[in-house]
Amino acid sequence: RKEVEQDPGPFNVPEGATVAFNCTYSNSASQSFFWYRQDCRKEPKLLMSVYSSGNEDGRFTAQLNRASQYISLLIRDSKLSDSATYLCVVREGSGAGSYQLTFGKGTKLSVIP
Amino acid sequence: ETGVTQSPTHLIKTRGQQVTLRCSSQSGHNTVSWYQQALGQGPQFIFQYYREEENGRGNFPPRFSGLQFPNYSSELNVNALELDDSALYLCASSHKQGSYEQYFGPGTRLTVT
Repeated sequence: RKEVEQDPGPFNVPEGATVAFNCTYSNSASQSFFWYRQDCRKEPKLLMSVYSSGNEDGRFTAQLNRASQYISLLIRDSKLSDSATYLCVVREGSGAGSYQLTFGKGTKLSVIP
Repeated sequence: ETGVTQSPTHLIKTRGQQVTLRCSSQSGHNTVSWYQQALGQGPQFIFQYYREEENGRGNFPPRFSGLQFPNYSSELNVNALELDDSALYLCASSHKQGSYEQYFGPGTRLTVT
C-alpha cells in the first residue's frame, strides 16, 4: 500500500500553460508536507513547503487539505526550465526517530516550446 | 549548491561484495539521513543519524548499516550486495533533529552486477 500517491504523469504542456499536480497521503499523523523538484539524474531539491493556509512562491502555489489528506501544486505560466520530476513529500510523526521523509514516485513534467 | 557532498559519484560492484559510501554534511548540520532511489521511483528512507547515533530506520535489512562521525560526516555500508541494491544513494543533511529542511547531496550511483 502506497503511503504517498501522485498523479502518474507524464505531463506534456506547452510553454505558458498552467499545470496542476495532486498528491494524497495515507498517514493522518503526518506533520509536514513539501514539494521537491528533481532534474534528470540529479538530487531532489526543495521547491516549497506546504501549509494548511496555502502558500505561494512566484508562479508556484501549494495547497494542503488535512481532512482529505490531499496536497496540490499549481504551476502558472510554465517555462521550459520547469521541466523536471515533481516529488510530493511527507514528513511523519513526532518523537525520536520519526523524522523520515516519505516520497511519492514523482510526476514528470515536460514543458514544450 | 547545498554544500552536501558525496563520494564516490559512481561505483560498480559485484553481487556479494561490500560497499561504503560517504557523505559530508552541510556546515552546521548535525543530522544526516540516507535514502535509496531506484530507477523510476521516489527516494526511500534508509536511516537517519543524529549526534553519531542511529535515530530512525526505514524498511531495510541489517546488511545496511551506517556511521556518523564527530564532524557529522557519515558513511553508509552495505554488505552482501544484491542486484536489487543497484540505485542512486542520496544523503541529506539538516540542521537539527527533526528539522524538515533536508538538503540533498548529488548522490552515489551504485551498480551491482
